[in-house]
Amino acid sequence: EADIYQTPRYLVIGTGKKITLECSQTMGHDKMYWYQQDPGMELHLIHYSYGVNSTEKGDLSSESTVSRIRTEHFPLTLESARPSHTSQYLCASSRTGKYQETQYFGPGTRLLVL
Amino acid sequence: DQQVKQNSPSLSVQEGRISILNCDYTNSMFDYFLWYKKYPAEGPTFLISISSIKDKNEDGRFTVFLNKSAKHLSLHIVPSQPGDSAVYFCAANKRGSEKLVFGKGTKLTVNP
Repeated sequence: EADIYQTPRYLVIGTGKKITLECSQTMGHDKMYWYQQDPGMELHLIHYSYGVNSTEKGDLSSESTVSRIRTEHFPLTLESARPSHTSQYLCASSRTGKYQETQYFGPGTRLLVL
Repeated sequence: DQQVKQNSPSLSVQEGRISILNCDYTNSMFDYFLWYKKYPAEGPTFLISISSIKDKNEDGRFTVFLNKSAKHLSLHIVPSQPGDSAVYFCAANKRGSEKLVFGKGTKLTVNP
C-alpha cells in the first residue's frame, strides 16, 4: 500500500495568485516526481528529484518550481497562476533499488485557474 | 512522437468476460513495463509490471503479456468486474532512467 499524500485535492484560484501544491510520502523513498495530466492525455513528467537538494526538470516544460529540503516532502510552486496551468498534478515516489523501480502515485491535485 | 501508444481510447466488456487492453511501444531500449489503473480525480494505482526478460506475468485476475519482437504488450483481466471500470495506462521505462513514458490510456467499462 502506497503512502503518498497530496494537498489540496482540489483548488480553484484566480489568475496571478501564488500557489503551492504539497506532496509527502512516508515510505522513505529517495526519488520523487511531479506529473501533469489533462483529460484523455498521457501523464507528462514535469519535475523529479533523486533525493534531498536534488531537483531536475522533466520532459514537459513547466513554469512551476520544486524544492526537496526533506526526503519525505516535495512541494510544487506556481508563482503566478494562469488559466493555462489548469490541469491535474500528480506526485509520485519510488525507491532506488536492485531492480527497476515502480512509481507509486498520490491522489492528485486538480487545479482550476480562473 | 509518442513512444508508447494505446490505440483504443475505450473498451466495453460484459461482466465475467475477459478484458484485453493493448499497448505498443517504439523504443527498443524500454525494458520494464507497467500498467496503472486510474479512477477520475484520483491518482494512478499500480497494477502489475513485467520485465523484458519475461513474456508473461500473472497476479490474480491480471496477466500481462509481452511480445518483444512485436513491441507489444497486453493486459488481460479475467473475469472482468464492474469495479474494474477505469482508465488503464500503459507505461514503459528503460534501465538507468528515472522516467516513465505513458500512453494516453484506455477507458474500460465493464457492464453488469
